[in-house]
Amino acid sequence: AQTVTQSQPEMSVQEAETVTLSCTYDTSESDYYLFWYKQPPSRQMILVIRQEAYKQQNATENRFSVNFQKAAKSFSLKISDSQLGDAAMYFCAYKSNAGGTSYGKLTFGQGTILTVHP
Amino acid sequence: GAVVSQHPSWVICKSGTSVKIECRSLDFQATTMFWYRQFPKQSLMLMATSNEGSKATYEQGVEKDKFLINHASLTLSTLTVTSAHPEDSSFYICSARDWGRNTGELFFGEGSRLTVL
Repeated sequence: AQTVTQSQPEMSVQEAETVTLSCTYDTSESDYYLFWYKQPPSRQMILVIRQEAYKQQNATENRFSVNFQKAAKSFSLKISDSQLGDAAMYFCAYKSNAGGTSYGKLTFGQGTILTVHP
Repeated sequence: GAVVSQHPSWVICKSGTSVKIECRSLDFQATTMFWYRQFPKQSLMLMATSNEGSKATYEQGVEKDKFLINHASLTLSTLTVTSAHPEDSSFYICSARDWGRNTGELFFGEGSRLTVL
């Protein structure tokens, strides 16, 4: 079974600064997706960024970028120029691309609460 | 596009009653939907995989007789919490994949907060 670990329960950053959230995962598969989701106080899950495992290039979405290290099974999220609206709980998630009963299921990390200070 | 809607967003019920939560994909067909449970400041825990036209697949430790899942159409899955007790109070979230998009992304409903008195 796959596991996802976020070792930082809480992180804080000053507005306009950069912060990196850590995520590691364990899998024996080679074909999978990794995601970062944001959950603000409204509790609506919002996709921040996705990475296909077969792609070596790190995904970027505006101020959000990832450092994907497949061999190390590491998938960190970097938020640049942090804004007050970035404050939320962030979840790293794994999704297998293999068939079978696990297909489509997301496995989430424990989450990291990000506080942004003005 | 790819909107998933849950109803109700908030429900309070008495202990011993049953509560139904609906999850709808509004602009795509979802043969598979997923139901998650989340306690405050904790992660999302998968409860079951809902399959259109067939029985749901429950995760280990989830009582299938307590959490009844029905996926009667390609756009609707329902979760019924039967004989609810205070310990069932939680935030329930559904998600679905839009197979028309080859992104691997799952789309989430707004969640439903259940409080059992």
